[in-house]
Amino acid sequence: AQSVAQPEDQVNVAEGNPLTVKCTYSVSGNPYLFWYVQYPNRGLQFLLKYITGDNLVKGSYGFEAEFNKSQTSFHLKKPSALVSDSALYFCAVSGDSGGYQKVTFGIGTKLQVIP
Amino acid sequence: DTGVSQNPRHKITKRGQNVTFRCDPISEHNRLYWYRQTLGQGPEFLTYFQNEAQLEKSRLLSDRFSAERPKGSFSTLEIQRTEQGDSAMYLCASSLGEINTGELFFGEGSRLTVL
Repeated sequence: AQSVAQPEDQVNVAEGNPLTVKCTYSVSGNPYLFWYVQYPNRGLQFLLKYITGDNLVKGSYGFEAEFNKSQTSFHLKKPSALVSDSALYFCAVSGDSGGYQKVTFGIGTKLQVIP
Repeated sequence: DTGVSQNPRHKITKRGQNVTFRCDPISEHNRLYWYRQTLGQGPEFLTYFQNEAQLEKSRLLSDRFSAERPKGSFSTLEIQRTEQGDSAMYLCASSLGEINTGELFFGEGSRLTVL
């Protein structure tokens, strides 16, 4: 069964510093990887995805993520954190093993950007 | 607003009562998903529709749960004989992209509290 691990419950970073939110995955076949963000009292919003091609993908709000097949990782990054980036971030995976592959989410990482 | 709409946003009910949630997806989206999210957890897949056909159901969806999507437009999720363990946020999402790779567009959720 496919799965996602987000090893950090919370990440604290000072405003202006680079941030990384970690994600590792397990899936049969090639992975399709996603990051979503959830602001308080808001629905989940899509940030970016990796399907194929360049291992570094860029997404909304200046976020990017790097796919590393050997480490089965898909870490979310941003060069300079903003206080408004404070939210709950979910990594998710589906696969190409044939037919419909449901999107499986991690438990989320709370990002706190400190002014 | 042309996003995914869910109603009601919050439902408080007594154990044993039936509840129904409605989801109106983005109009041109042919795929619709229901997820459940409990505190401290990521969204868990419940079921998936392509147009009006329910193509996938999770084992989490007991026989007390039923979902429909008549005419391939809005969807309803009914929970019969609610239990306290059903208390959660019920999320609806829709998509249009390629299966397995298209991003999900989520509504703000319907929070169920079973007393």
